[in-house]
Amino acid sequence: ETGVTQSPTHLIKTRGQQVTLRCSSQSGHNTVSWYQQALGQGPQFIFQYYREEENGRGNFPPRFSGLQFPNYSSELNVNALELDDSALYLCASSNPSEWRDTIYFGEGSWLTVV
Amino acid sequence: DQQVKQNSPSLSVQEGRISILNCDYTNSMFDYFLWYKKYPAEGPTFLISISSIKDKNEDGRFTVFLNKSAKHLSLHIVPSQPGDSAVYFCAARRTGGTSYGKLTFGQGTILTVHP
Repeated sequence: ETGVTQSPTHLIKTRGQQVTLRCSSQSGHNTVSWYQQALGQGPQFIFQYYREEENGRGNFPPRFSGLQFPNYSSELNVNALELDDSALYLCASSNPSEWRDTIYFGEGSWLTVV
Repeated sequence: DQQVKQNSPSLSVQEGRISILNCDYTNSMFDYFLWYKKYPAEGPTFLISISSIKDKNEDGRFTVFLNKSAKHLSLHIVPSQPGDSAVYFCAARRTGGTSYGKLTFGQGTILTVHP
């Protein structure tokens, strides 16, 4: 039990639609990162939010966007869904003042785009 | 460009024996390394980590070795148990700046421990 919760756990969307995934970080953690894990691959870093601002981004197009709220919970939004967006989306929370060892992952949200 | 590589997609070991999982990296800026374990339908679970200022870190049955000159690390599990069967991911990070939550992962190694 990591204290990081994600919703929904599974969803199916149609190509071209938009999706919002949600994450509640572990208590005391002010940094949230999002990862995409395609089948058979390791997680790929999408972006990171610290104190409500994006402060690091991986190699993902602008249609991947996010928000972090004052309570440090976060959303990942994906617009104009493509078939290749089908993946497990993982949220991870951490606290920079305790940066060693304290990146905790949620269970993930499985997105299928048809 | 795969900066972290796990070249063995799978490993099969007998219960009680040693499991050795390997990981190579190319980015010399990485200075902190982590191993995660993942069961199906669950998120990755942190196992053990090592800073680049060390060459070994132990935690119970798990030991991670780091060879900086070879840009190679390995995870040893002794003795292996059937419950260790899972996918193991190696991950690396640069410390400082805005890198807290940015991990670069390998592709994973499926470990199967047979009773």
